[in-house]
Amino acid sequence: GQSLEQPSEVTAVEGAIVQINCTYQTSGFYGLSWYQQHDGGAPTFLSYNALDGLEEKGRFSSFLSRSKGYSYLLLKELQMKDSASYLCAVITGSYIPTFGRGTSLIVHP
Amino acid sequence: GAVVSQHPSRVICKSGTSVKIECRSLDFQATTMFWYRQFPKQSLMLMATSNEGSKATYEQGVEKDKFLINHASLTLSTLTVTSAHPEDSSFYICSARDIRSDTEAFFGQGTRLTVV
Repeated sequence: GQSLEQPSEVTAVEGAIVQINCTYQTSGFYGLSWYQQHDGGAPTFLSYNALDGLEEKGRFSSFLSRSKGYSYLLLKELQMKDSASYLCAVITGSYIPTFGRGTSLIVHP
Repeated sequence: GAVVSQHPSRVICKSGTSVKIECRSLDFQATTMFWYRQFPKQSLMLMATSNEGSKATYEQGVEKDKFLINHASLTLSTLTVTSAHPEDSSFYICSARDIRSDTEAFFGQGTRLTVV
């Protein structure tokens, strides 16, 4: 089977840097995606990692270690609008994403 | 990015009636569409995978006769909740995968279903 673990909630201050972790166990692993979801809204794609290492995209970076079954999403220069739920999803052999429970990020002024 | 349109965004229906939710890919062709259900503060639970022109593949525990999925074209998939009950009240979200990409799925806006 598959399992994904994310912290349920993370809080940070505006302007700071925050890291959201995701650990997973799965077979047939292809890659891992991160999505952002605001309350009542649809998830929006942030990043995809298939290989080990760090992928940087503006204020958002995503890291993957396949051997450790570990990924993190790094958000820099936090803004109030970054308050949302962040979902990691593993992509397996059928290219079907399986989502974690999501981490609620709360950004304080 | 690619656009997926889901309609309606909110629907309230009476117990025992059926509700149809549409999911359209507006600017790309989607051979595969996914239907998810999400409870408050919970993850997206995959209900079924629909492939254009063939029967949907349902996840374990999802009643195929209750949640009818039709993927009639490369741009449209529908989910019909039949004989709805209050416990079917939830947030339903579709996503579509562009045939040109295996890694990114694009989501519809979601449908908030309330059964009274």
